[in-house]
Amino acid sequence: AQSVTQPDIHITVSEGASLELRCNYSYGATPYLFWYVQSPGQGLQLLLKYFSGDTLVQGIKGFEAEFKRSQSSFNLRKPSVHWSDAAEYFCAVAPGSNNNDMRFGAGTRLTVKP
Amino acid sequence: NAGVTQTPKFQVLKTGQSMTLQCAQDMNHNSMYWYRQDPGMGLRLIYYSASEGTTDKGEVPNGYNVSRLNKREFSLRLESAAPSQTSVYFCASSEIAGADEQYFGPGTRLTVT
Repeated sequence: AQSVTQPDIHITVSEGASLELRCNYSYGATPYLFWYVQSPGQGLQLLLKYFSGDTLVQGIKGFEAEFKRSQSSFNLRKPSVHWSDAAEYFCAVAPGSNNNDMRFGAGTRLTVKP
Repeated sequence: NAGVTQTPKFQVLKTGQSMTLQCAQDMNHNSMYWYRQDPGMGLRLIYYSASEGTTDKGEVPNGYNVSRLNKREFSLRLESAAPSQTSVYFCASSEIAGADEQYFGPGTRLTVT
């Protein structure tokens, strides 16, 4: 089965600084890749997704992610972080044909310093 | 549209008690899912329903049962709660059972003592 690794449990950045959250996956083929965000006490909201095509995908709230097949990575980036971006971020992987087997990473908690 | 709603928001059970978590969606989605979220483990799929009338096990189904009551509603039942089932439970839905975005409810925080 596929698996997802988010190496950073907790990241702290200053407001206005750039952000990169790492995600590595293990799967034989090119899976469908997702980034979700969870604010405290809330459900998950989709930031962006990659199925095929251009390896740089744009999402909501100014986020983007780049799929790198050679590194089995799908890192999330934002050029300038806002205080409202403080949340937990989850990378997820689906086999491609059936997302009923979606696997989530353990999450990265983002703290934003004023 | 309310999206995906879950009841209750919080629940405390004693070991051995039973309860049903309710989930409803108003987006006319075909597929629905139940996940549990535990610290340091992300979300894990318990059961899913690809379409009305069908249900299948996910990654961690033991100790749970589900019912897809109709297209809108998908319930999760704990027949005999155990402390290991202390968790936050999320319901989600998607338009199709393919590589499609899932929409999540606000969650139910369950504590089993």
